[in-house]
Amino acid sequence: DAGITQSPRHKVTETGTPVTLRCHQTENHRYMYWYRQDPGHGLRLIHYSYGVKDTDKGEVSDGYSVSRSKTEDFLLTLESATSSQTSVYFCAIADLLYRGESGANVLTFGAGSRLTVL
Amino acid sequence: DQQVKQNSPSLSVQEGRISILNCDYTNSMFDYFLWYKKYPAEGPTFLISISSIKDKNEDGRFTVFLNKSAKHLSLHIVPSQPGDSAVYFCAATDAGNMLTFGGGTRLMVKP
Repeated sequence: DAGITQSPRHKVTETGTPVTLRCHQTENHRYMYWYRQDPGHGLRLIHYSYGVKDTDKGEVSDGYSVSRSKTEDFLLTLESATSSQTSVYFCAIADLLYRGESGANVLTFGAGSRLTVL
Repeated sequence: DQQVKQNSPSLSVQEGRISILNCDYTNSMFDYFLWYKKYPAEGPTFLISISSIKDKNEDGRFTVFLNKSAKHLSLHIVPSQPGDSAVYFCAATDAGNMLTFGGGTRLMVKP
C-alpha cells in the first residue's frame, strides 16, 4: 500500500469506550487525511493534517480528534465511541510534489480499519 | 447536502461492452476531478483525473469526460473486463488538497 499502514485493521468495542486508530507512513508525505466510508455516503473527510502539529477539521469531525506529533504518524481518536461511529476508516497521504495530470493532489489510501461499536 | 453525487448505486455490464459511470456536482468552485477504484477489503486507488480546463482525458481503456456547464462528469471504460468489477468513486476539489467524494457506484462486469 505504497508505504502506508493502518492499525488495527479490525476492532470491536463497546459504546462509551475510547478508541485510537493509527496511520503510519514511510513516504515522508506532508498531507495526511482520515476518511470514513459508509454505504450511500461514500468517503467523508473527518480530519486532515498539513504538517506536524498542524491539523484541521473536515466534513464530519464531531466526536473525533486527531494528533500528529511526527511526520509519519497520524492518530485518530474517538473519545467515547458511539454506534454511529461504526464504519470503515481510511487514512490517506498526499504530497504537493506529486499531483496528477490534472493538478490535483492524488491521495494514496491505506487498506482501512473496520470499527464496530456495540 | 452532498456536493458530489453518484446517482447510480450499481451498474451491471457485459464483458467487452462499454461501462459508463456518471457523477454530478453542485459546487461551481470545483476545478479538479478524479476517479478512484476500490476493491473489497482494500483502500481506494487513483484511476484517472481531469482539470476543468479540459473536457476529456484518456488513459488506455479509461476516458473521463467533463461537462462544466452541466456540472457533470462521466467515466467510460471500453472494453469492460471482469477485473474492472469494483466500486468507483468520483471526487472533486477546488484547491487540490482536499477531496470531496461521491457515494460510489458498484460496477459488475459479467463474463
